[in-house]
This record gives sequence, C-alpha cells and structure tokens, in this order.
Amino acid sequence: KAGVTQTPRYLIKTRGQQVTLSCSPISGHRSVSWYQQTPGQGLQFLFEYFSETQRNKGNFPGRFSGRQFSNSRSEMNVSTLELGDSALYLCASSQATGRFEKLFFGSGTQLSVL
Amino acid sequence: AQTVTQSQPEMSVQEAETVTLSCTYDTSESNYYLFWYKQPPSRQMILVIRQEAYKQQNATENRFSVNFQKAAKSFSLKISDSQLGDTAMYFCAFMGATFGNEKLTFGTGTRLTIIP
Repeated sequence: KAGVTQTPRYLIKTRGQQVTLSCSPISGHRSVSWYQQTPGQGLQFLFEYFSETQRNKGNFPGRFSGRQFSNSRSEMNVSTLELGDSALYLCASSQATGRFEKLFFGSGTQLSVL
Repeated sequence: AQTVTQSQPEMSVQEAETVTLSCTYDTSESNYYLFWYKQPPSRQMILVIRQEAYKQQNATENRFSVNFQKAAKSFSLKISDSQLGDTAMYFCAFMGATFGNEKLTFGTGTRLTIIP
C-alpha cells in the first residue's frame, strides 16, 4: 500500500500570496488531519476532515482553510501569507472506523514565506 | 485542554546502551491514548509505540517500551540496545478517546543522538 503522499515537498512564496497544499491519504483511509510544525510553536493541530466534512478545528485564523474530496484526498489553503506561516505542514490519515486507528503521516510540505 | 511536556530537549547515548525519554501530560479525561512518534531527518513522523490509558500493562514494541504511570500522568519511553538509526526527534503525544476527536497534542520533542 502506498503511504500518505504530500505535494509539493517544498514551496517558496512571498507575503500576501496564497498557497494550496495537497495530501493523498492511504487507500481506504477516510480521515485526513493537518498539522503545522515550526521551531517556535512545535507541532500544532490545524484541522481534520472526515467524509468531506471538517470534524475538528484547531486554533488558527480563518486564513487557513481546507477541504476534502470524495476520494478522501485533501487540500489545505493559506491565504494572505505572512512570514510566520513558514513551517513544515504535515498531513496524516487514518481509517477512523469508530475505534482508534493509527495515524499515518506524510513527509510534509516545507513552506517558506519571503 | 491537554498539555504534554517533554523536559529533555536533547539527549545522547552510546550505541547499544539504553536510554529513557521522559514525558508528562495533563488532562481531565478519563480515557485517552498516548504515543511516541519518531521524526528522522526525512521529516516523516513514524509511530513508535502507543498506550491505551485503560490498559495497565505497559506497551512494548521490540526494543521500545514505555513506563506508563497513570496517577502520576507520566509516560516515558525506554529504548534498549540503541542503534544509529534511532537518531531522531522523538515526540510524545496525547489523544482523547472520544470518537470523532482524532486530534494529537504533541510535546516539544527530544532530540536523541546515538553515538557510534
């Protein structure tokens, strides 16, 4: 089985631009979560999608949004980029069958905002 | 809200030795899961071991084992016979057991270096 795939691996943007990151979960996984990792704030939960619906949301401004498609693939969008948005963005997927399943992570997208 | 604390920013140990990474947490939930994740330079988060809070028996996965003390809210990771490939950042994480709440709260991490 292929693992969680995140594209692109690296991105460089300038302040004020917007960016879209993509995550393809493991086949059969219905839940996709997004995390932001920075040296200063560590790993922080952004949001989780399950069956195309946002089920959980972290404490991030509305500039951060996401969606999930019917094939469980997910995209995350950040609008009006700020320097502080520079981070590694990690995606994780799980089967979410009602009993806890393991979260499998991708290798992340490294976003640099100049 | 949950908090997870890792008080050892960096550790190093000789190859083949045993090392213990510390983690404490705070929660008001009665049932939950605890995890140790490893993040090597490739950046991918890899699940090392997990513990269900309602199970008294400590989890073990090959060379990795935990010491789970529920009353003390302590969850340490022991790596036996350490190998060079164990060099990585290690994160302790918490998840509540409520269905539909699959959200991990991470500690700040411990950078572990295995010295040849």
